[in-house]
Amino acid sequence: DAGVIQSPRHEVTEMGQEVTLRCKPISGHNSLFWYRQTMMRGLELLIYFNNNVPIDDSGMPEDRFSAKMPNASFSTLKIQPSEPRDSAVYFCASSSTQKPGRAFFGQGTRLTVV
Amino acid sequence: SQELEQSPQSLIVQEGKNLTINCTSSKTLYGLYWYKQKYGEGLIFLMMLQKGGEEKSHEKITAKLDEKKQQSSLHITASQPSHAGIYLCGADIRSQTDKLIFGTGTRLQVFP
Repeated sequence: DAGVIQSPRHEVTEMGQEVTLRCKPISGHNSLFWYRQTMMRGLELLIYFNNNVPIDDSGMPEDRFSAKMPNASFSTLKIQPSEPRDSAVYFCASSSTQKPGRAFFGQGTRLTVV
Repeated sequence: SQELEQSPQSLIVQEGKNLTINCTSSKTLYGLYWYKQKYGEGLIFLMMLQKGGEEKSHEKITAKLDEKKQQSSLHITASQPSHAGIYLCGADIRSQTDKLIFGTGTRLQVFP
C-alpha cells in the first residue's frame, strides 16, 4: 500500500483565493482525520470522518473551511476565501475503527497564503 | 486550553544521555499513543498504551502509562542524533465522539 497520499505537497496562494487540499486514505481504513499544524498551536484536529460521514467538525475554525468525503477513497479540505493566518501544514490521517489511535499520516500539504 | 499537555516543550541533550518526555491528560484516557515527527514530514507511530501500568519498548525508547494520574512518559536511553525530532502524544479521549487528539509536542535535539 502506498500509504496516505496528500496533494499538493506545497501550495502558495494569494489571500482571497480558494484552496483545495486532497487526501487519499489507506484502502480499508474507515476513519479519516484532517489536522492543521502550526508552531503556535501545534497539531489541531479539524474534522473527523467515519465511514465517509463527518462525525466531529468542532475543530473547523470558521465557515471558510469545509471538508467532504464523497467516497471511501477520497477527501477534500477547502478554504474559501483563504487568509494569511491559514498558512500552516495540513495533514490527513486514516485509521481503522479497530485501532482508532493507530493512525497513518500523509506527508502533509504546506500552505502559504500571501 | 489543551487537553493534552506535554513537557518539556523542547529538549537539547548530548548524545548518549537519557531523557524523559511527559504527557498529561485533563480527561480520562481510553488509549495513549506516541508518535514521532521529523521536520517537514508526517507523523510516524511509535507505540500504543491502553492499560494502566502498561509499559512498552521499541529499540531504546520506552513508554509507560499511569492511568490513575492520566499521564504517560516516554524515556529514551543513550540518545542518538537519529532520535532528534518532535515527539507527540496522542489520545483517544472520547469526549463526545471517538477522536484522536494530540499534545503540544516536544522538540528534541541531540548534539554529538
